[in-house]
Amino acid sequence: QVTLKESGPVLVKPTETLTLTCTVSGFSLSNLRMGVTWIRQPPGKALEWLAHIFSDDDKSYSTSLKTRLSISKDTSKSQVALIMTDMDPADTATYFCARISVGHCTDTSCYGGFDPWGQGILVTVSS
Amino acid sequence: DIQMTQSPSSLSASVGDRVTITCRASQSVNYHLNWYQQRPGKAPKLLIFGASSLQSGVPSRFSGSGSGTEYTLTISSLQPEDFATYYCQQSNSIPRTFGQGTKVEVK
Repeated sequence: QVTLKESGPVLVKPTETLTLTCTVSGFSLSNLRMGVTWIRQPPGKALEWLAHIFSDDDKSYSTSLKTRLSISKDTSKSQVALIMTDMDPADTATYFCARISVGHCTDTSCYGGFDPWGQGILVTVSS
Repeated sequence: DIQMTQSPSSLSASVGDRVTITCRASQSVNYHLNWYQQRPGKAPKLLIFGASSLQSGVPSRFSGSGSGTEYTLTISSLQPEDFATYYCQQSNSIPRTFGQGTKVEVK
């Protein structure tokens, strides 16, 4: 059974750096083209994609947040970390991690979505 | 960035109704279009990937279609557990982007 679980501080102060950890089980971060992504959701608002990392260490970031984000993995610990610097009250949100699944591939493309997701962790930014 | 626009933003429906949600991309996403369901207080759940492929374990009343820049999610006969918010998401290019969501409410 594949599971993911987010952990980290639930309260951070403005200007501080947030470090979140996603611990996965049921799959290995070293498997070919295995990936994990981070998404967040402010209270009552829509989902926002943040970043992803693949087994070959290929990384990508949100355009608007890329100067503040860093993603990394520790394969031996089955963990993916997300670091967000200079936190602001507008960053208050539930942060989710999810596996990047591959449903099927054709000769030219692979298709899949984010599945499954962790339960999420609500991070509040307040002094 | 590819902008994803869902319509409507909300709708009211009754159990048994056929419901259709549309997602438009600002440029072609080449069938790399996924749909998620989110119930209140829960993590999103993948329903459809690759525009029309049903994720394992998802009821067959859910279906997806479309191509290019326009995609639809259809629920053929709405069930009580389907009242939720639905999101489309493109995985064609970086950064990945989501629609703003469509809330399906009880009529």
